Amino acid sequence: AQTVTQSQPEMSVQEAETVTLSCTYDTSESDYYLFWYKQPPSRQMILVIRQEAYKQQNATENRFSVNFQKAAKSFSLKISDSQLGDAAMYFCAYRRDGSNYKLTFGKGTLLTVNP
Amino acid sequence: AAGVIQSPRHLIKEKRETATLKCYPIPRHDTVYWYQQGPGQDPQFLISFYEKMQSDKGSIPDRFSAQQFSDYHSELNMSSLELGDSALYFCASSLRFSSGSPYEQYFGPGTRLTVT
Repeated sequence: AQTVTQSQPEMSVQEAETVTLSCTYDTSESDYYLFWYKQPPSRQMILVIRQEAYKQQNATENRFSVNFQKAAKSFSLKISDSQLGDAAMYFCAYRRDGSNYKLTFGKGTLLTVNP
Repeated sequence: AAGVIQSPRHLIKEKRETATLKCYPIPRHDTVYWYQQGPGQDPQFLISFYEKMQSDKGSIPDRFSAQQFSDYHSELNMSSLELGDSALYFCASSLRFSSGSPYEQYFGPGTRLTVT
């Protein structure tokens, strides 16, 4: 079974600074997707960024980028120029490639942004 | 753009009562997923449907049942409610064959169920 581990229950960052959230996963599959979801106080699940395992290039979405290390099964999220609105719970998630497989989530990292 | 709709948004029930949660996927999406997120927990997969057939099953209690209807909306039926069923229930939908991001799951706003 696939597992996702987020070793940082809480992180804090100063506004305009950079922060990196860690995620490791375990799978025997070679093709899969990795995601970072943001859950603000509204509890809405918002997709931040997606990485296909077959792509060597790290995904980037504006201020959000990932460091995907397939051999190490590591998938960290870097948030640059942090903003107050970035404060939220961040979940790392895994999904097998093909068909309509479920998402497996990590326990989450609560990010606080200090003004 | 249309999003996933869930109703009701909030629901309060007493122990041993029954609850029905509804999910309306994004138009043309053919797959629906249900997740349960307890307080301070990560979302846990319950069950999914593709073209009205159950496609995968997770840690869904026997007291719960679900189905997907001909118009692709889905309902999660929960009976003999327990205090531990209090949680946020998410529905997500995806399109199996998409030129963009196949199987990308789009989440609804969730239904907050409180069992007293």
